[in-house]
Amino acid sequence: GNSVTQMEGPVTLSEEAFLTINCTYTATGYPSLFWYVQYPGEGLQLLLKATKADDKGSNKGFEATYRKETTSFHLEKGSVQVSDSAVYFCALRNMDTGRRALTFGSGTRLQVQP
Amino acid sequence: NAGVTQTPKFQVLKTGQSMTLQCAQDMNHNSMYWYRQDPGMGLRLIYYSASEGTTDKGEVPNGYNVSRLNKREFSLRLESAAPSQTSVYFCASSQPGLAESYNEQFFGPGTRLTVL
Repeated sequence: GNSVTQMEGPVTLSEEAFLTINCTYTATGYPSLFWYVQYPGEGLQLLLKATKADDKGSNKGFEATYRKETTSFHLEKGSVQVSDSAVYFCALRNMDTGRRALTFGSGTRLQVQP
Repeated sequence: NAGVTQTPKFQVLKTGQSMTLQCAQDMNHNSMYWYRQDPGMGLRLIYYSASEGTTDKGEVPNGYNVSRLNKREFSLRLESAAPSQTSVYFCASSQPGLAESYNEQFFGPGTRLTVL
């Protein structure tokens, strides 16, 4: 079946530090990959996405590259801000299984200190 | 556009009580979903509705029922609440299409449910 594994948090960084949140997946075929962000007290918002190998998704300074050879989709940002403090979820959708719903990782909490 | 709305925002129940969580979307999406979010486990799919008039079980459907009342509304019912159902519940919607594998799911703000 499908599964997503994320690094455990919390991740605590100082402002302007480099961020990496690791995400690896297990799926048959060619899933689409997503990063969602959840700010305190809110629902999830799509941050970025990629549908095929070597695609790079990017948004708001965040980037992630779909690596099929390592089954990974790591999230990176060159310089984090306090406003980036949130929980980040990696997710996949595998249409090969006919399933529209997303499979989520457990989430990684990011705390950015001034 | 309000997007995806959920009511109530918070609810406390006693074991054995019943309640219905409401969800509505104004984006004319065909597909709607109910997830639960528990600490350290991410979001897990309870039920989904691919289109009006259809519903299917997800990963964790036991103890829940759903109704796709019309295209806009998708409700989740707990017939006899249990402490194991204490969680945050999220409704989501999406629009299938030619690029369905790529389509974004839009989430509501969530309902925080505590069962005592």
